[in-house]
Amino acid sequence: DSGVTQTPKHLITATGQRVTLRCSPRSGDLSVYWYQQSLDQGLQFLIHYYNGEERAKGNILERFSAQQFPDLHSELNLSSLELGDSALYFCASSVGRGAGETQYFGPGTRLLVL
Amino acid sequence: GQNIDQPTEMTATEGAIVQINCTYQTSGFNGLFWYQQHAGEAPTFLSYNVLDGLEEKGRFSSFLSRSKGYSYLLLKELQMKDSASYLCAVRGPNSGAGSYQLTFGKGTKLSVIP
Repeated sequence: DSGVTQTPKHLITATGQRVTLRCSPRSGDLSVYWYQQSLDQGLQFLIHYYNGEERAKGNILERFSAQQFPDLHSELNLSSLELGDSALYFCASSVGRGAGETQYFGPGTRLLVL
Repeated sequence: GQNIDQPTEMTATEGAIVQINCTYQTSGFNGLFWYQQHAGEAPTFLSYNVLDGLEEKGRFSSFLSRSKGYSYLLLKELQMKDSASYLCAVRGPNSGAGSYQLTFGKGTKLSVIP
């Protein structure tokens, strides 16, 4: 158990819908990272927040957005869902944002879009 | 950008030693991580290399050559529970907003057979 929690564990929804994924980092960690993992693409970095501020964006679609709240938990919002958005979504946390810091991953949310 | 290559699959025998290679091309380098991921579960941190050489941690060792853009993960005394995917990840340059993006390879699926 990494200490990172994610809810829900599973989510089934229909195309065109909107969902919110939630992540609570390890106690004391200020950075939260979101990743998408699909079978053919591997782990893809989406976005990084540090202490409430966005710090980096990866291959995140415009239909996706995220935020980090004052209590440091983070939410990833996915809208106008398409079949191709079906994937495992992981969040990870680290203490800070230094180059040598290890990211610890939550258990993931498995999203299925029908 | 970053490009990371690792073999897709490997098979090894229980009790043996296996070496999983990773090569990378990067526009900036701030360290290389290895993660283990069992199917459907979260990646878990194994090792971090930022300087050339070998880092040993119990049955697991990781090697880095920055000049060659090459790393390997060595697993000794293989156990059945080591059957998993092994992800090589490179930390890139500072994004300019104090974020060092982690780019993952697609992973090597290791099967340990009796």
